[in-house]
Amino acid sequence: EPEVTQTPSHQVTQMGQEVILRCVPISNHLYFYWYRQILGQKVEFLVSFYNNEISEKSEIFDDQFSVERPDGSNFTLKIRSTKLEDSAMYFCASVYPSADTQYFGPGTRLTVL
Amino acid sequence: GIQVEQSPPDLILQEGANSTLRCNFSDSVNNLQWFHQNPWGQLINLFYIPSGTKQNGRLSATTVATERYSLLYISSSQTTDSGVYFCAAFWGKLQFGAGTQVVVTP
Repeated sequence: EPEVTQTPSHQVTQMGQEVILRCVPISNHLYFYWYRQILGQKVEFLVSFYNNEISEKSEIFDDQFSVERPDGSNFTLKIRSTKLEDSAMYFCASVYPSADTQYFGPGTRLTVL
Repeated sequence: GIQVEQSPPDLILQEGANSTLRCNFSDSVNNLQWFHQNPWGQLINLFYIPSGTKQNGRLSATTVATERYSLLYISSSQTTDSGVYFCAAFWGKLQFGAGTQVVVTP
């Protein structure tokens, strides 16, 4: 069964450093999402992406965040200058038509020191 | 935006017991999903259920969209059912509830 993959599974970085989290969505899916979950809290929406542009973003998704689909298969989330409060599990999700089942990747656990 | 509330926040069950988890949402939604978050943090899809009833093994779910709630039933619980159960309602993006932490004891 096709699945969403994410790399790396864990990333440790120093405050102020840039990180790029990578996702490979399911191949025929058209809508892509990033969510995050701070430890012990609920999953929060960050950004949605369709037709090579951001379709919606949350207030969390400020100028330090960006997304890209550079080559038709990867979907990346970049954090330009990480803060301590960016420490969280980051999930990528994809879906074929937008209101159908969203499939989640296994997540990247980001730790900012 | 849509508000999603789950109850109870915590549930302790003895192995073999049955339970019901509830999800209320504040507005009409296109989609509702139930997830199980395992101890490794992975979100496992359980159900896509905008309305009606579905069953998958010992788990079943019912969504009554007109009354804005969904129920997840766990029957004959096993220790492997432990974890956090999330519901999430879709309106442009998934809005998650705070989850129900389930602990199944032997």
